[in-house]
Amino acid sequence: EAGVAQSPRYKIIEKRQSVAFWCNPISGHATLYWYQQILGQGPKLLIQFQNNGVVDDSQLPKDRFSAERLKGVDSTLKIQPAKLEDSAVYLCASSPLRDRGPREQFFGPGTRLTVL
Amino acid sequence: LAKTTQPISMDSYEGQEVNITCSHNNIATNDYITWYQQFPSQGPRFIIQGYKTKVTNEVASLFIPADRKSSTLSLPRVSLSDTAVYYCLVGHSGSARQLTFGSGTQLTVLP
Repeated sequence: EAGVAQSPRYKIIEKRQSVAFWCNPISGHATLYWYQQILGQGPKLLIQFQNNGVVDDSQLPKDRFSAERLKGVDSTLKIQPAKLEDSAVYLCASSPLRDRGPREQFFGPGTRLTVL
Repeated sequence: LAKTTQPISMDSYEGQEVNITCSHNNIATNDYITWYQQFPSQGPRFIIQGYKTKVTNEVASLFIPADRKSSTLSLPRVSLSDTAVYYCLVGHSGSARQLTFGSGTQLTVLP
């Protein structure tokens, strides 16, 4: 079974530029997550989708970050304009839909963003 | 939000059993406890999940006391390749709390 795919793996941009990240979740997984992981810290949830609807985006800086999940499969995360503090690894994860009980997340390799 | 407390770092030697304890005093009745492992330059990887008592799989055991205010991840006979950051999370499906990662525990296995 193919895992969560992300691209690009690395990106270097200058502040005030725009950048976009792409994620392809595991086939059949209804839930998709985007996390931001700053060096030395645990991942921080930015947004959670269930199919193509947003479940939680309370920690997404909406003035500069946007995300979409067209057709409930692939997703893109965009930053416009980027700031120095956006330098981090952006992780995408997916999980199957369950009505109750625990939910295991499957993570992609991440995209390392450096903002100069 | 559910808060978890873990040691920042631990050292061990190859072949030893390692126990990492996580404190979660405000765990809710329907919360599960999940542990993830993360290697440098990789996304976290699911290790084990439990609700109460003991859970064991091919890589680890999870011990949860009756009051569920803490949990212990046990790694038997660690090797150098177990050097990683380990995260404890609490929550349940439909709750954003299950998605709150702390700072984790850096486990270093020495030869």
